[in-house]
Amino acid sequence: QVQLQESGPGLVKPSETLSLTCAVSGDSFSSYYWSWIRQPPGKGLEWIGYLSDSGNTNYNPTLKSRVSISVDTSTNQFSLELRSVTAADTAAYFCARHRWLQPFDLWGQGTLVTVSS
Amino acid sequence: DIQMTQSPPSLSASVGDRVTITCRASQAIGVYLNWYQQKSGKAPKLLISAASNLQSGVPSRFSGSGSGTDFTLTISSLQPADFATYYCQQSYAILPFTFGGGTKVEIK
Repeated sequence: QVQLQESGPGLVKPSETLSLTCAVSGDSFSSYYWSWIRQPPGKGLEWIGYLSDSGNTNYNPTLKSRVSISVDTSTNQFSLELRSVTAADTAAYFCARHRWLQPFDLWGQGTLVTVSS
Repeated sequence: DIQMTQSPPSLSASVGDRVTITCRASQAIGVYLNWYQQKSGKAPKLLISAASNLQSGVPSRFSGSGSGTDFTLTISSLQPADFATYYCQQSYAILPFTFGGGTKVEIK
């Protein structure tokens, strides 16, 4: 059974870098896209970006200047970095699996990241 | 960006009621429209893909319809387990992927 599990610090200081990892168990990275999605407390969902099965990345223009998504195939994990965070980046962060033009069919449980000094 | 507008933002309904949620895209997206259910503190769960394809294990009281810019999620007979927030999402080939603002279904 394929599972996704996010991990990383729950508290990040303003102006620092938020770093999260998504561990993929029971599957490989081939044939799928891997996305990060976030949800501020009490608000809706925002797609952050994806890593494709060929290693390409694509990011939401609203975050593009601050975000990077990378993969470590040796550990079956992919990662999110969001630089220069502010309180507006406080959110639950989810990793999710999908195919091109297809829905997000598998999600991690999510991890709450708070930006505060 | 393709803007997704859901209505209503919230609704109150009773068990057994028929519930309809609408989602409108700012430009035509064919049938690249998906519906998710999210319960408090949990990740969203995919209910319907490609506007009308019910996912395996999802009760048949859920149905989806529409194409182009206007889409509908219908719950034919609301059950206690259905009280949640519902989101539409477009997966058309124009990035970024975008979600509707959500519809919170509450108990009347």
